[in-house]
Amino acid sequence: NAGVMQNPRHLVRRRGQEARLRCSPMKGHSHVYWYRQLPEEGLKFMVYLQKENIIDESGMPKERFSAEFPKEGPSILRIQQVVRGDSAAYFCASSPPTVLHTEAFFGQGTRLTVV
Amino acid sequence: GQSLEQPSEVTAVEGAIVQINCTYQTSGFYGLSWYQQHDGGAPTFLSYNGLDGLEETGRFSSFLSRSDSYGYLLLQELQMKDSASYFCAVRDDKIIFGKGTRLHILP
Repeated sequence: NAGVMQNPRHLVRRRGQEARLRCSPMKGHSHVYWYRQLPEEGLKFMVYLQKENIIDESGMPKERFSAEFPKEGPSILRIQQVVRGDSAAYFCASSPPTVLHTEAFFGQGTRLTVV
Repeated sequence: GQSLEQPSEVTAVEGAIVQINCTYQTSGFYGLSWYQQHDGGAPTFLSYNGLDGLEETGRFSSFLSRSDSYGYLLLQELQMKDSASYFCAVRDDKIIFGKGTRLHILP
């Protein structure tokens, strides 16, 4: 059973370009979380999705950031017109569709560098 | 609002015991989890407490007091490989993480 797969592992973008980060959850998991982590800092919640539905996006910046989790295919975190401050590690985690499930499984992250 | 407080850094000696505390204030609460993250790596799940009391998994134990909104992670027989960041996390309808405690282990 493959774990959570994120790609790319490293992404370099110039200011003003778009960044697309992909996350394939573990088999059988229908819920996905995205977190942002700056160096030496914690995991900041961004968005919580289930297939075809955003459950909670309270951590997403109002502009330039969007996320989706289509019926087929991976979850996508999209950052438009990137700026230097967007440089961070972005982690995706997946879990089964119940709050009774205690564990979230993380991917290896995408390290975004904006130059 | 939601907040989790944990010390930013803790230092301990190899072979010793260390306790990392976490207090939380959240609108909803199903349980408290702990995750470990090595530098450059992904967070990995260590333990979960849904009910008050102590959960033990090998050298690691975790405790929860729901009435005090408090929990801790206890690491015994510390090894150098335990040097990492440790995050407490609250599960309500989503999972919110504390800012992490960096554990330094001295030989």
